[in-house]
Amino acid sequence: EAAVTQSPRNKVAVTGGKVTLSCNQTNNHNNMYWYRQDTGHGLRLIHYSYGAGSTEKGDIPDGYKASRPSQENFSLILELATPSQTSVYFCASGEDWGGNTQYFGPGTRLLVL
Amino acid sequence: GEQVEQRPPHLSVREGDSAVIICTYTDPNSYYFFWYKQEPGAGLQLLMKVFSSTEINEGQGFTVLLNKKDKQLSLNLTAAHPGDSAVYFCAVTLNRGSALGRLHFGAGTQLIVIP
Repeated sequence: EAAVTQSPRNKVAVTGGKVTLSCNQTNNHNNMYWYRQDTGHGLRLIHYSYGAGSTEKGDIPDGYKASRPSQENFSLILELATPSQTSVYFCASGEDWGGNTQYFGPGTRLLVL
Repeated sequence: GEQVEQRPPHLSVREGDSAVIICTYTDPNSYYFFWYKQEPGAGLQLLMKVFSSTEINEGQGFTVLLNKKDKQLSLNLTAAHPGDSAVYFCAVTLNRGSALGRLHFGAGTQLIVIP
């Protein structure tokens, strides 16, 4: 069974503060993804990575940075958090081909006050 | 780019009834098709993956139909039970272009099965 874990599971942050969301996968997948989920929008891609050292912008990258220091770890960084970034964030890993199945973590619920 | 529309956004059915969720997509290069289930407070769990050459797939209590001519993908829960209550997402990948393997999601359907 594929395993993707996220930490923290819940986070409360203040406006202007820095937030780091962490993701770890034990699937040895090259690709990793960060999504946010908001009512009415489904899942929207923020950043993704093809492997250690690479990060790419997704559809809504503004206000977010990403870091992939290793095959297993992929972080999402909010340097200056804003209330509009209140959301549920999901990390996923997958193989790098068109039919790859993505395996999702349990999500992080972020509230920015 | 790829656009995936999913309907209905909300669906309530009685236990034992069928429930149908439909997604339409726009890109003719759409390649693999996915249905995910999200239970409250949890991540997305893969229900089924359908390849473009396969039209009908049957799972445990559900059927997935792919109609390439109409660019439509559907999920039919044949006899819904309360454990099926969840949010369902369709997703599509393309066989060309950048971000190979990235998923294009529908907006989701909140299904409630009433006992």
